[in-house]
Amino acid sequence: AQSVTQLDSQVPVFEEAPVELRCNYSSSVSVYLFWYVQYPNQGLQLLLKYLSGSTLVKGINGFEAEFNKSQTSFHLRKPSVHISDTAEYFCAVSDGAGRRALTFGSGTRLQVQP
Amino acid sequence: KAGVTQTPRYLIKTRGQQVTLSCSPISGHRSVSWYQQTPGQGLQFLFEYFSETQRNKGNFPGRFSGRQFSNSRSEMNVSTLELGDSALYLCASSIGTGGNTEAFFGQGTRLTVV
Repeated sequence: AQSVTQLDSQVPVFEEAPVELRCNYSSSVSVYLFWYVQYPNQGLQLLLKYLSGSTLVKGINGFEAEFNKSQTSFHLRKPSVHISDTAEYFCAVSDGAGRRALTFGSGTRLQVQP
Repeated sequence: KAGVTQTPRYLIKTRGQQVTLSCSPISGHRSVSWYQQTPGQGLQFLFEYFSETQRNKGNFPGRFSGRQFSNSRSEMNVSTLELGDSALYLCASSIGTGGNTEAFFGQGTRLTVV
């Protein structure tokens, strides 16, 4: 069984400041890791994914994340946020055994203030 | 390329009724997964279909069912609706079934049970 913990339910930040959204996972098998963003009344959009290889992954909209196997973490970062980054962010895992099902964290609401 | 299309976008049903939601995947995608999103439980996996066969199922009661057609379009059905079934139902399509394949989400169907 897998689980995902997003440590912060809300993160307020000022525009142009850096931000880190934290994600920890638990799994007995190898996993693939994903970050999704959800804007109000919308579906989920993939920001980035870690499948294998380099532990630093770059995604869309200036976001990046670092996979840390020893700490079972996959934190999302952006050096300078914009008002338009205000949204809900979800960390998710799928297992390396081939099952498509995603296990999601509870989400982090990023609130960018002017 | 058209994205994942879910219909209808909004639905209001009465407790005890049944409902059918529809999902048209991205052209060429053969895997369709369904998720339920609620404020209390977050995003939870319902089931996955590939080539008209259910490959994986989440921990939901038998009132929740689905199917996939030969053109990869999928429907999910909820019978004997309960108030707690009120949620955003998201459909995601993927080219394949491996955990490393990207899932593209639709905008969802907002179901309200009264």
